[in-house]
Amino acid sequence: SQQGEEDPQALSIQEGENATMNCSYKTSINNLQWYRQNSGRGLVHLILIRSNEREKHSGRLRVTLDTSKKSSSLLITASRAADTASYFCAAGNNDMRFGAGTRLTVKP
Amino acid sequence: NAGVTQTPKFRVLKTGQSMTLLCAQDMNHEYMYWYRQDPGMGLRLIHYSVGEGTTAKGEVPDGYNVSRLKKQNFLLGLESAAPSQTSVYFCASMKGTQYFGPGTRLTVL
Repeated sequence: SQQGEEDPQALSIQEGENATMNCSYKTSINNLQWYRQNSGRGLVHLILIRSNEREKHSGRLRVTLDTSKKSSSLLITASRAADTASYFCAAGNNDMRFGAGTRLTVKP
Repeated sequence: NAGVTQTPKFRVLKTGQSMTLLCAQDMNHEYMYWYRQDPGMGLRLIHYSVGEGTTAKGEVPDGYNVSRLKKQNFLLGLESAAPSQTSVYFCASMKGTQYFGPGTRLTVL
């Protein structure tokens, strides 16, 4: 079964708004990673958060991790039309498993 | 530094045919992975390897075999292709974060 499960499945917002995506996982993990995928393309790594970290920032991205709830969130602030893509979390130890993703649409 | 490369980029097979997908990485990473992605869905782990000579099953290993004879290469084999194996296949290597190849689009008729 898949490790990460993203929520919501789809999200549509206006440019300038913030976008929040959530991910839940099932087993203990070493780290959790967020990726972005433009339609039909490969995955691009966004940010990694280790199991002993609670929050991490990278530019307009903010990731939180709650190991007690086995959940993580990705916040994209001040969204842009170019942020339109699918976002996936991957969690695990040696076996990194992905969720089904959140399809984000940012309207100009 | 080419990163992760996949060969071929596209392939069409008939049911029952066999083929091998090649993944190569030049970053000296220990960990390598094969995933499949079906339309509108996330990536599902087929097999992975934590080092040369080792392989392990992922979420959807049935119908696939893998080999990691050299550290830089991870091969995915389909012995008898089925239409259900029509998908885009992604390979990745990992050191900390995963680095993905561009994908192989496979169609089984």
